[in-house]
Amino acid sequence: TQLLEQSPQFLSIQEGENLTVYCNSSSVFSSLQWYRQEPGEGPVLLVTVVTGGEVKKLKRLTFQFGDARKDSSLHITAAQPGDTGLYLCAGRAQGGSEKLVFGKGTKLTVNP
Amino acid sequence: GAVVSQHPSWVICKSGTSVKIECRSLDFQATTMFWYRQFPKQSLMLMATSNEGSKATYEQGVEKDKFLINHASLTLSTLTVTSAHPEDSSFYICSATRDSSVTQYFGPGTRLTVL
Repeated sequence: TQLLEQSPQFLSIQEGENLTVYCNSSSVFSSLQWYRQEPGEGPVLLVTVVTGGEVKKLKRLTFQFGDARKDSSLHITAAQPGDTGLYLCAGRAQGGSEKLVFGKGTKLTVNP
Repeated sequence: GAVVSQHPSWVICKSGTSVKIECRSLDFQATTMFWYRQFPKQSLMLMATSNEGSKATYEQGVEKDKFLINHASLTLSTLTVTSAHPEDSSFYICSATRDSSVTQYFGPGTRLTVL
């Protein structure tokens, strides 16, 4: 069974601070996605990374896929209260499976 | 865009009744749809994968006779929770993929409360 370990589980920071969320596994994934979920809503896709070593930027968010495609990170620069939410990483297994394996999520709170 | 809707957004029912939840891809044809369940403060757990016109594939531990999935068209999948019990109360979320893409687009979820 493929598992994705996400850390930290909870993170509370002040507006303007930087933060990094990690997603690690012993398994190789063909792709990895990051989502943000608000309470009572479905996850919203932020980014999909496919290539080992790939770096994608979305405004103040930087996503990196590990060279071996076993891990990923999400870095937020100058966090704002609007970044508050549950961040989920999800990996798609190799071998053509369409299923996603989700990490347990990181609950981020950015205080004004 | 890739918009997925769910209906209803929330439902309260009595124990023993059945509840149907719809998942629609509004602006694309979905090659595959997925059904997840999410308990409070927990991550998403995949329940089943469905393709149009074929039987759903259920994850281990998910009762297929209790959670009936019908994928009638390329834009609609339904999940019916039969003989619901309080322990079935949860947040049910569907997702869909298109054109064999790796990306899953999620619906807004349905909050089910069984009294």
